[in-house]
Amino acid sequence: QVQLVQSGVEVKKPGASVKVSCKASGYTFTSYGISWVRQAPGQGLEWMGWISAYNGNTNYAQKLQGRVTMTTDTSTSTAYMDVRSLRSDDTAVYYCARDSMGKYGSGSYSCFDYWGQGTLVTVSS
Amino acid sequence: DIQMTQSPSSLSASVGDRVTITCRASQTITNYLNWYQQKPGKAPKLLIYAASSLQSGVPSRFSGSGSGTDFTLTISSLQPEDFATYYCQQSYSTPRTFGQGTKVEIK
Repeated sequence: QVQLVQSGVEVKKPGASVKVSCKASGYTFTSYGISWVRQAPGQGLEWMGWISAYNGNTNYAQKLQGRVTMTTDTSTSTAYMDVRSLRSDDTAVYYCARDSMGKYGSGSYSCFDYWGQGTLVTVSS
Repeated sequence: DIQMTQSPSSLSASVGDRVTITCRASQTITNYLNWYQQKPGKAPKLLIYAASSLQSGVPSRFSGSGSGTDFTLTISSLQPEDFATYYCQQSYSTPRTFGQGTKVEIK
């Protein structure tokens, strides 16, 4: 069965960096992309960006450009997300999600069909 | 960026009720619309993709409809396990954007 297992809780000071991992199993890792989504306490869902596990191409949300880097290690089927220069408003639960695209009938689709369990990142002095 | 607006933001309903949540996109997204369910402390779960396709394993009481800019998620007979927050999300273009969520509470 498809599983995405993320790394554990992180507590960081403002200005520091954090790297969250997401280990995939149960499917061919390079056949899908990985998106990262975060959720601040009591708030909604915010898409952070996407990486192709096939060729490493990335697409980042503009507000995070320059502070976020997404990578993959195909040898271990693991995706990573690195956020630098952390601020208090980066405090959130960070999720990885399998980015699934395909065709059905005459149409096509794109969705996040499997999610990791989430990683709480707290930024506090 | 495409803005997604859900209504209502919250609702109270009883077990067995029919519940409808709407989602409006700020521009046409054809049928690139997904619905997710999130329970407290848990990751979101995909319910509906491509506006009306039921994800494998999701009960048939959930259904989705719409195209263009206006979409609907319907729960035909609300069950105790359906009390949660529901989000729509467009996958027509990047950045992918979500609605603000609709919290379904017990009446």
